[in-house]
Amino acid sequence: EPEVTQTPSHQVTQMGQEVILRCVPISNHLYFYWYRQILGQKVEFLVSFYNNEISEKSEIFDDQFSVERPDGSNFTLKIRSTKLEDSAMYFCASSVKGGQPQHFGDGTRLSIL
Amino acid sequence: ILNVEQSPQSLHVQEGDSTNFTCSFPSSNFYALHWYRWETAKSPEALFVMTLNGDEKKKGRISATLNTKEGYSYLYIKGSQPEDSATYLCAFYTSGTYKYIFGTGTRLKVLA
Repeated sequence: EPEVTQTPSHQVTQMGQEVILRCVPISNHLYFYWYRQILGQKVEFLVSFYNNEISEKSEIFDDQFSVERPDGSNFTLKIRSTKLEDSAMYFCASSVKGGQPQHFGDGTRLSIL
Repeated sequence: ILNVEQSPQSLHVQEGDSTNFTCSFPSSNFYALHWYRWETAKSPEALFVMTLNGDEKKKGRISATLNTKEGYSYLYIKGSQPEDSATYLCAFYTSGTYKYIFGTGTRLKVLA
């Protein structure tokens, strides 16, 4: 069964550095999402992406964050000037259309030192 | 601010017990309610997509109901097994948006 893949599984970065988290959604899916889960807290919506543009973003998704679909298969989340509080699990998900079940990747654990 | 609440936060049951938990969501601008099962060290897996008031869905020993007028959904597990141990998440999707709001999850532990 097709699945969403995320790389790397774990990223350790110094505070202030930029990170790029990568995701390959399921090929016939059209809607893409990024979520984060800070340890011990709930899953938080960051951004949704459709038709090569951001459809919706949360208040968390400020100028520090950006998303891109550079080549028709990858879907990336860039975090600039990382802060300690950016440490979290970041999940990518995709769905055929809005409101349909999302398929999640296994997540990237981001640790900011 | 849209809020989705789940209760209880965690639950321990004995193997063979039946159990249920609740997801509460805003009753306005409803589009869909999803249930996901999330096992440790894995990614969330979709269980049910519920869209109509009065919907009842079933998958093996797990079933769910939906009341959009009062803004709640129940998830039931009949005859719990140790492999049912997981966190069960609900996610609310409103019309006119492109985002899911997740509940805090119910962590279920089934004791053998």
